[in-house]
Amino acid sequence: AAGVIQSPRHLIKEKRETATLKCYPIPRHDTVYWYQQGPGQDPQFLISFYEKMQSDKGSIPDRFSAQQFSDYHSELNMSSLELGDSALYFCASSSRETGWNTEAFFGQGTRLTVV
Amino acid sequence: AQSVTQPDIHITVSEGASLELRCNYSYGATPYLFWYVQSPGQGLQLLLKYFSGDTLVQGIKGFEAEFKRSQSSFNLRKPSVHWSDAAEYFCAVNTGNQFYFGTGTSLTVIP
Repeated sequence: AAGVIQSPRHLIKEKRETATLKCYPIPRHDTVYWYQQGPGQDPQFLISFYEKMQSDKGSIPDRFSAQQFSDYHSELNMSSLELGDSALYFCASSSRETGWNTEAFFGQGTRLTVV
Repeated sequence: AQSVTQPDIHITVSEGASLELRCNYSYGATPYLFWYVQSPGQGLQLLLKYFSGDTLVQGIKGFEAEFKRSQSSFNLRKPSVHWSDAAEYFCAVNTGNQFYFGTGTSLTVIP
């Protein structure tokens, strides 16, 4: 079965550079979530989208922005990268058609290292 | 405000022994609860979920969890642990717009 696809899997950037992470949800899923997981930490919610509109916002820095496109894929844009941005970034998708609060399927994550 | 607490940061059990991982939640409405497992460097895999109905839910890999509203708990159990169960386990509450995760419990399995 198709899963959530994230690209790239690994990314190394220098401080003050920009990065774009991509997420391709499961087909027919309308909701995308972005999470940041630092080393040894639990996943922290960044932002979510439903039907291409932002539905909730968490601890996402102003240097980051995200959007969901017409094909439902999402991109997380990160600028002025800092060493503290090094983390595993997860994308998850779900479908509200199957019921509110249904499970989310997580991608394998993108490991971002800022040097 | 909603939150999830996993009191045990790290648990060590012997292979074949039983396991219980604790999870307490704080949420004003009916909770939608999940347990995820994460192997090192990997994504989150859903073990089981509770939406409504029977308070004892069965998941994959022989795991089960019991929802106790009076205790605001959703503890994960397995009667006999296998070495491959060693991983990080996260309890989560879904509010509709986002998941709130606990800080995780790291499970070590010894021979």
